[in-house]
Amino acid sequence: AQKITQTQPGMFVQEKEAVTLDCTYDTSDQSYGLFWYKQPSSGEMIFLIYQGSYDEQNATEGRYSLNFQKARKSANLVISASQLGDSAMYFCAMRDRLPTGGYQKVTFGIGTKLQVIP
Amino acid sequence: EPEVTQTPSHQVTQMGQEVILRCVPISNHLYFYWYRQILGQKVEFLVSFYNNEISEKSEIFDDQFSVERPDGSNFTLKIRSTKLEDSAMYFCASSDEQPRQPQHFGDGTRLSIL
Repeated sequence: AQKITQTQPGMFVQEKEAVTLDCTYDTSDQSYGLFWYKQPSSGEMIFLIYQGSYDEQNATEGRYSLNFQKARKSANLVISASQLGDSAMYFCAMRDRLPTGGYQKVTFGIGTKLQVIP
Repeated sequence: EPEVTQTPSHQVTQMGQEVILRCVPISNHLYFYWYRQILGQKVEFLVSFYNNEISEKSEIFDDQFSVERPDGSNFTLKIRSTKLEDSAMYFCASSDEQPRQPQHFGDGTRLSIL
């Protein structure tokens, strides 16, 4: 059974500073995908970044980067140059292969609430 | 950029009534999903739908729930005989088949059962 662990219920960061949000996962599959989503107070789920289990390089998307350490089964999100608009819940999630061969559901962690301080 | 749209944004229903939540997935996507998020809790998978049938469902998705793709664009979640504990944000998502492609979420429908 897969499992996503986010151990930081809340984080504070000073505006313009970098912050790392932790995520560890557990799966017996070799092929899987890791995602980060942002959920502002308005409630929508916004896709941020993806990392495939076979990707050799860490994923980056603008100010977001994913620190992927496969042996440790961790996929931490790094946000550089934090902005006030980054204040939100952040969810780590994993998608892995079903026995049928398809990639179906995404399992989410409990989230980390990030607050950016001016 | 194409997006998943959900209607209504907020639904208030009396306990015991039936409710239908509607979604229009991204047009070229093949997989469709429903998730639920009870206030303050994590997002929980309900069901995935592919090729006009349910491909996977969670323990939450019991006989009270059903999904349908009534035409080429809509994807619906029906909840029969609603209970107070069904109050939650319900997200629809869709994705391409490839594992690299993320599931794109709609903005959600906030369901309040009175």
